[in-house]
Amino acid sequence: GENVEQHPSTLSVQEGDSAVIKCTYSDSASNYFPWYKQELGKGPQLIIDIRSNVGEKKDQRIAVTLNKTAKHFSLHITETQPEDSAVYFCAASNQAAGNKLTFGGGTRVLVKP
Amino acid sequence: DAGITQSPRHKVTETGTPVTLRCHQTENHRYMYWYRQDPGHGLRLIHYSYGVKDTDKGEVSDGYSVSRSKTEDFLLTLESATSSQTSVYFCAISERQTNPAGLNTGELFFGEGSRLTVL
Repeated sequence: GENVEQHPSTLSVQEGDSAVIKCTYSDSASNYFPWYKQELGKGPQLIIDIRSNVGEKKDQRIAVTLNKTAKHFSLHITETQPEDSAVYFCAASNQAAGNKLTFGGGTRVLVKP
Repeated sequence: DAGITQSPRHKVTETGTPVTLRCHQTENHRYMYWYRQDPGHGLRLIHYSYGVKDTDKGEVSDGYSVSRSKTEDFLLTLESATSSQTSVYFCAISERQTNPAGLNTGELFFGEGSRLTVL
């Protein structure tokens, strides 16, 4: 089955700086890569996703990149703000096989004011 | 927010006792999932359902069973709880939708979690 590795496990950045989280996946058939944000005491929420036919996608201060050849994808947060502090999860799935996501281990991001 | 309610939100139980967690949705979504969240492991799929009475195993299904008798309810049962099942359990729902390109756009919506402690 699919295996998703996520790094780093914790990330501390100064407000205004950028944050980058990286994930690798093992199954070359995976074609859907969402990112979820989990705030304290809440369930995860989708913040952005990318499909295998796209190399990059941006939504305001967040962007995702995908390198299918190397089987890795990354989340970039620019101009970080205190409200970006949360746990972020990457995930992967083969949507032809249903919408079962395999998640990475998570990255705890702390934005220091 | 998606209408997902998990109950109970917190439970402490003893090894060997049965436990049932309930997920209730008001969105009429077809797919429902149970995940467990443990430090360093992210979210791991236990079981999922693709319709009433239609369920299948996820990657960590041993020791768990599920039932879905109605679209809105998905129950997770630990027949005989063990300390290794101490975790935070999340229910999620999704609806299989396709965009004009024919690609599935089914976002997962999560409940707020149920914290289970097995002593």
